[in-house]
Amino acid sequence: KQEVTQIPAALSVPEGENLVLNCSFTDSAIYNLQWFRQDPGKGLTSLLLIQSSQREQTSGRLNASLDKSSGRSTLYIAASQPGDSATYLCAVRPQMDSSYKLIFGSGTRLLVRP
Amino acid sequence: DAGVIQSPRHEVTEMGQEVTLRCKLISGHNSLFWYRQTMMRGLELLIYFNNNVPIDDSGMPEDRFSAKMPNASFSTLKIQPSEPRDSAVYFCASSPPGQGREKLFFGSGTQLSVL
Repeated sequence: KQEVTQIPAALSVPEGENLVLNCSFTDSAIYNLQWFRQDPGKGLTSLLLIQSSQREQTSGRLNASLDKSSGRSTLYIAASQPGDSATYLCAVRPQMDSSYKLIFGSGTRLLVRP
Repeated sequence: DAGVIQSPRHEVTEMGQEVTLRCKLISGHNSLFWYRQTMMRGLELLIYFNNNVPIDDSGMPEDRFSAKMPNASFSTLKIQPSEPRDSAVYFCASSPPGQGREKLFFGSGTQLSVL
């Protein structure tokens, strides 16, 4: 059974710092991995999607990497801003599952202090 | 584009009452997902529709839960009778056809409290 773990559960950094969020998954047979952002009282917004054949994806100050063989992904945020404060979740789509079901981690709650 | 629209935003009800949650998909999207989020269990997929047809309902907790898509743009999730353990935030998400199906667009959720 696929399990997704995110460490740390919470992180507080000063503005301007570069940071890395970690995601690990137990079964390397995945179709893809996504990183989402969730603001309080809001739904999830997809940030980056990495296909199993890819190593990384970039969008602005965000860079996500994928090491499928070791079951790990990282989300790198450069020059963090207070507006980056949110909960970040990663989710994997199991390879053999045709239902497009995503298995989510429990998230990392990020606070960027001004 | 207004995005995925869910209603109500908040629902407080008493145990045993029927609860109906509503979701309007983004125009042109043909996949619909209902998720439930709790502190204990995180985000869990309840049911997935494609082209109005339920494809995977293995996440639906029990017979008290039912979901429908009466047309291509609208879905309901019904709980009858509701129980306190159903208290959670319920999200629906939609995605477009083809390769874009992988990218989900979430609504703002319905916060359900069953007393």
